[in-house]
Amino acid sequence: EADIYQTPRYLVIGTGKKITLECSQTMGHDKMYWYQQDPGMELHLIHYSYGVNSTEKGDLSSESTVSRIRTEHFPLTLESARPSHTSQYLCASRVQTGQETQYFGPGTRLLVL
Amino acid sequence: GENVEQHPSTLSVQEGDSAVIKCTYSDSASNYFPWYKQELGKRPQLIIDIRSNVGEKKDQRIAVTLNKTAKHFSLHITETQPEDSAVYFCAASKGSGYALNFGKGTSLLVTP
Repeated sequence: EADIYQTPRYLVIGTGKKITLECSQTMGHDKMYWYQQDPGMELHLIHYSYGVNSTEKGDLSSESTVSRIRTEHFPLTLESARPSHTSQYLCASRVQTGQETQYFGPGTRLLVL
Repeated sequence: GENVEQHPSTLSVQEGDSAVIKCTYSDSASNYFPWYKQELGKRPQLIIDIRSNVGEKKDQRIAVTLNKTAKHFSLHITETQPEDSAVYFCAASKGSGYALNFGKGTSLLVTP
């Protein structure tokens, strides 16, 4: 089924650890995005990509990095997790031209102790 | 860049009443305006969208209106039900080549 998948869904990790949040979509979308969102609060764009080997930083400064080696895959990495990184991370995707609907993944809830 | 303001931040209505959420945008080149609903613990999901060549769009109990001159658009929910309780986000963009700029969200509570 065409969808956006995120793993893990929940993660509890200690300060200083390196983590990678996975995001994959099976809709063939060119554009993918990462948002940071505290529960029920504002959506902050932290990274986006308009295609393979294209990545840009979003409006909210983030210590994370992203890569886009394959169209369907857009992982986000935190080299050294801190308690301030505790939040929910939502991945999203959108087709390059034509239909403009943006679809969100189910999110990863991260808790850094 | 584009700035989207959303009001109110919280809204409480009684079941059966109407709810209206308003958004304003700053970039007159914006031409796509979606609305997302996010239920507690779930992902945001598109409920309705409108493009700048249309002034109003309706889907059952949900409608969106757009005033390009004043640069504002609104979500109208009629005959509200408890399951309409959620956070609603408006957004604006200049088209599929640009990122969506989201408002800060409105927490809607529908009480029985």
